[in-house]
Amino acid sequence: EPEVTQTPSHQVTQMGQEVILRCVPISNHLYFYWYRQILGQKVEFLVSFYNNEISEKSEIFDDQFSVERPDGSNFTLKIRSTKLEDSAMYFCASRIQGWGNQPQHFGDGTRLSIL
Amino acid sequence: ILNVEQSPQSLHVQEGDSTNFTCSFPSSNFYALHWYRWETAKSPEALFVMTLNGDEKKKGRISATLNTKEGYSYLYIKGSQPEDSATYLCAFDGSGNTGKLIFGQGTTLQVKP
Repeated sequence: EPEVTQTPSHQVTQMGQEVILRCVPISNHLYFYWYRQILGQKVEFLVSFYNNEISEKSEIFDDQFSVERPDGSNFTLKIRSTKLEDSAMYFCASRIQGWGNQPQHFGDGTRLSIL
Repeated sequence: ILNVEQSPQSLHVQEGDSTNFTCSFPSSNFYALHWYRWETAKSPEALFVMTLNGDEKKKGRISATLNTKEGYSYLYIKGSQPEDSATYLCAFDGSGNTGKLIFGQGTTLQVKP
């Protein structure tokens, strides 16, 4: 069965450094998402992406965050200048269409640790 | 601020017991309610997407109901097995076409053999 893949599984970065988290969504899916879970908290929405542009973003998704679909298969999340509070598990998800009764399919996540 | 709450936070049952948990969500601007099963170190696995008030869905021993007017959904597991041990997440879609999901905190189920 097709699945969403994320790399790396664990990323350790110094505070202030840039980090890029990578995702390969399911190939015929059109809608892409990033979520994160800070330890002990709920999974929270960051951004949705459709037709090469952001369709919705949360308050968390400020100017230090950006997303890109550079080559039609990868979907990346960039954090420009990482902070300690960015430490979390980051999940990518994709969906075949944006509404209705289709589930979002999640990757295994990238654990981001900021030192 | 939209809030999704799940109860209980955790549950320990014996193999063979039936169990249920609750997800409460806003009753306005409802588009869909998702249930996911999440095992440690794996990706959340979609169980159900429910869109209509009164919906009931079933997958093996797991079933779910939906009441959009009062803003709650129940997940039932009949005859729990150790392999059902996982965290069960519900997520509310009130956004329509963007698909933004608002998650509850999850119910962690442990089934003892």
